[in-house]
Amino acid sequence: KNEVEQSPQNLTAQEGEFITINCSYSVGISALHWLQQHPGGGIVSLFMLSSGKKKHGRLIATINIQEKHSSLHITASHPRDSAVYICAPSGTYKYIFGTGTRLKVLA
Amino acid sequence: KAGVTQTPRYLIKTRGQQVTLSCSPISGHRSVSWYQQTPGQGLQFLFEYFSETQRNKGNFPGRFSGRQFSNSRSEMNVSTLELGDSALYLCASSGVLTDTQYFGPGTRLTVL
Repeated sequence: KNEVEQSPQNLTAQEGEFITINCSYSVGISALHWLQQHPGGGIVSLFMLSSGKKKHGRLIATINIQEKHSSLHITASHPRDSAVYICAPSGTYKYIFGTGTRLKVLA
Repeated sequence: KAGVTQTPRYLIKTRGQQVTLSCSPISGHRSVSWYQQTPGQGLQFLFEYFSETQRNKGNFPGRFSGRQFSNSRSEMNVSTLELGDSALYLCASSGVLTDTQYFGPGTRLTVL
């Protein structure tokens, strides 16, 4: 079993839909990162969470440390949100990565 | 502030050769991490340097090595290249007061 599981692996949504991407992990962590990777390879760090919830624009990330689960929500999705979203738990300087969720938002 | 820069952006090598990749972090950032991304394995952590010291290392063979200089610039070296080393190599830097990582554009290495 992988240390980090993301679901779904692929997601196609219509513009304006509310999107949820889930991440479950089995290791102890000090923080969890959500990354966004656009076609062409550029990676942007969206959030770093160690507890609770964070919001940035239309993006919301939550984490439940006890349940070892995190979610990334996108409200009012837009075609420019099309990208791969990667969950990356980290602990004591070491990072492990989920396989990513490929999101496509159709206009 | 300039972002993280990586050189070269593209590289083609043959099996058995060695390669050195360079990463210049954001000014003031002292932590540099290196990652390998392949279609089959996804993103994998290689190592992290902080103030010229390797703080952590992923599960890669000894052919993969790195170092960090006093100006925080970092290099990674891969010796005796194998076909499976073909990948996008990303570096990321972070500052002292935050764990947010800022990624460079990557170096795409092709081993023939």
